[in-house]
Parts: sequence; C-alpha cells; structure tokens
Amino acid sequence: QLVESGGGLVQPGRSLRLSCAASGFTFNDYAMHWVRQAPGKGLEWVSGISWNSGSIGYADSVKGRFTISRDNAKNSLFLQMNILRVEDTALYYCAKGYSGSCSAAFNIWGQGTMVTVSS
Amino acid sequence: AIRMTQSPSSFSASTGDRVTITCRASQGISSYLAWYQQKPGKAPKLLIFAASTLQSGVPSRFSGSESGTDFTLTISCLQSEDFATYYCQQYYSYPQTFGGGTKVEIK
Repeated sequence: QLVESGGGLVQPGRSLRLSCAASGFTFNDYAMHWVRQAPGKGLEWVSGISWNSGSIGYADSVKGRFTISRDNAKNSLFLQMNILRVEDTALYYCAKGYSGSCSAAFNIWGQGTMVTVSS
Repeated sequence: AIRMTQSPSSFSASTGDRVTITCRASQGISSYLAWYQQKPGKAPKLLIFAASTLQSGVPSRFSGSESGTDFTLTISCLQSEDFATYYCQQYYSYPQTFGGGTKVEIK
C-alpha cells in the first residue's frame, strides 16, 4: 500500500514537499516514482528513483526544480518541489516499480495527493 | 524524450466488441512498454508489462502485442467494467513517458 501526503494550496514560486508512506512490501527492493495528472488531463511521469538511489530521473518540465529522494529505513519516498508554477497543479501519485531498476512498469499506485498552485 | 503517440484518443464501443488501441513510440524501446487502465476518480491499474505480459489478476480478454515501435492493446470481448481510459507507457529510458490516453465509451 502507498499513501501520499503533503499536498495543498500554494502560491506560485513557493515550495512544497510530498511524502509517500509504503507498507506491505520490502520497500528497499524496489524503484519508486512520482506521476502526476492535471485536472481532466492525462498521466505525466514526474520522477523516478532506483532502489538504492543510484539512478534518478526527472521529466524535463520539473528538472532543476523538483528533487526526489527516499528513506529506506522509514519506508518513505519524497518529492521536494521548489519554484512551483501554476502548471504544476495536479494530483500527484506515488507508484512502485516492478523491480529495483527504474526500467520497470508500475504495479502499485497510491490514491494521490492534490497540489494546487495559485495566487 | 521518447514520444508515445496513442490512437484513437477516444471511441465508442458496445459490450462484446473486440477493441484495439495502438501506441507508437518515436524511437525503439525494445519491449519496455506497459498498458494501464484508469477509471474516473481512481488510480491507474497495471494491465500489461513488457509489451505482452499480463499482470496477475487481469482477465485474459486483455492482450498486448508489438511490431517494431508499434504496440497494441486488444480487449477481445469488451465487458461493462472495461469502459475506462487506457494509457501506454515506455519505461525504456528517462524521461519515461505516457501516451495521451484512449477513452473507451459506451455506444
């Protein structure tokens, strides 16, 4: 199970940190990802991190502003979002990869946490 | 970034129909292709990975195939619970990318 938290309403240019608490599987064996979905739109992959944090990737739209990290001791995934833009408004999902490598499909998804960027 | 072009973007079908959704990658992605189903207000659900491997618990009426950079999701006999939006995803390389989605509606 994956449970996201940390979403909310924030002004443009500000920061927000999302968290994802994992349970029911050996967290440190698997890659993890963030995927977002703007209201009424499709899915957009945001960022991914391998089991040992050795491989990290970002979408071009968030590179340099967002930072993904994980704490395997606490079974937790994070997304630090800085310099937020109106276009970052979306439901943010945490998703588990099928393996420790980032080159794997996502077989477990959380229910998402909503981020709204507006003045 | 690898572009995933999904078609059609939407269509109407009837229960019992055989339906096909296509996804084309802008470059080779080997078989690093997944299909997801999403219903309104719900998180996506993995249907198929590695282009043609059925996820555990997914009905066998769903199948996937590939031909070069073209990938296909087929539902052999559409059921009422299959009306949803479907997405393809390439996980071959960063940044990973999704197709634009295909909404399957009731005719």
